[in-house]
Amino acid sequence: GAGVSQSPRYKVAKRGQDVALRCDPISGHVSLFWYQQALGQGPEFLTYFQNEAQLDKSGLPSDRFFAERPEGSVSTLKIQRTQQEDSAVYLCASSPGGAFGYTFGSGTRLTVV
Amino acid sequence: GENVEQHPSTLSVQEGDSAVIKCTYSDSASNYFPWYKQELGKRPQLIIDIRSNVGEKKDQRIAVTLNKTAKHFSLHITETQPEDSAVYFCAASMYGGSQGNLIFGKGTKLSVKP
Repeated sequence: GAGVSQSPRYKVAKRGQDVALRCDPISGHVSLFWYQQALGQGPEFLTYFQNEAQLDKSGLPSDRFFAERPEGSVSTLKIQRTQQEDSAVYLCASSPGGAFGYTFGSGTRLTVV
Repeated sequence: GENVEQHPSTLSVQEGDSAVIKCTYSDSASNYFPWYKQELGKRPQLIIDIRSNVGEKKDQRIAVTLNKTAKHFSLHITETQPEDSAVYFCAASMYGGSQGNLIFGKGTKLSVKP
């Protein structure tokens, strides 16, 4: 596609509910990154894929967070048993390789009530 | 791990004035430094970047300078316009940006008053 597409744009979840956030990267982009952006803060790294391999998941805040990219294209970030502190914008970015040439998606704003 | 600090957190200038935003980084292995602009409710967009083998880079009204010894880099915007109003983020990465993730600063909210 022409850009990085994320869905849904907005998600309201009740505390304890599971959610799944989708990222469709730019076609051919090898690298895919997930970031969490709290209100008024910079994006914080969650996890990084190169093709289907998850090379770094050191930023995932707890074992309730899980990401996958099974075919090296679309990625899903899953949050189990959501908590209020999970409320944030979740940004996906893709690049031809590594940190150079990032293109961000518009993000998914998650609100946990 | 890498830590990026950014200041000021807010900056207000008159249209036509210059704006300077400064960042410091902790890991001397970092060698790729991009700057992003994020308008309210929109995605961050890359505006300029620099690698550590270069001390300065310019693109029209925007310039970035890098001091590797002091581990700091700065964004300079000249002749500011109201449409420059946004949140600006600096970031750092290792491996020249060829792999790995970015570490972001907390952002600077720039307001340009007409």
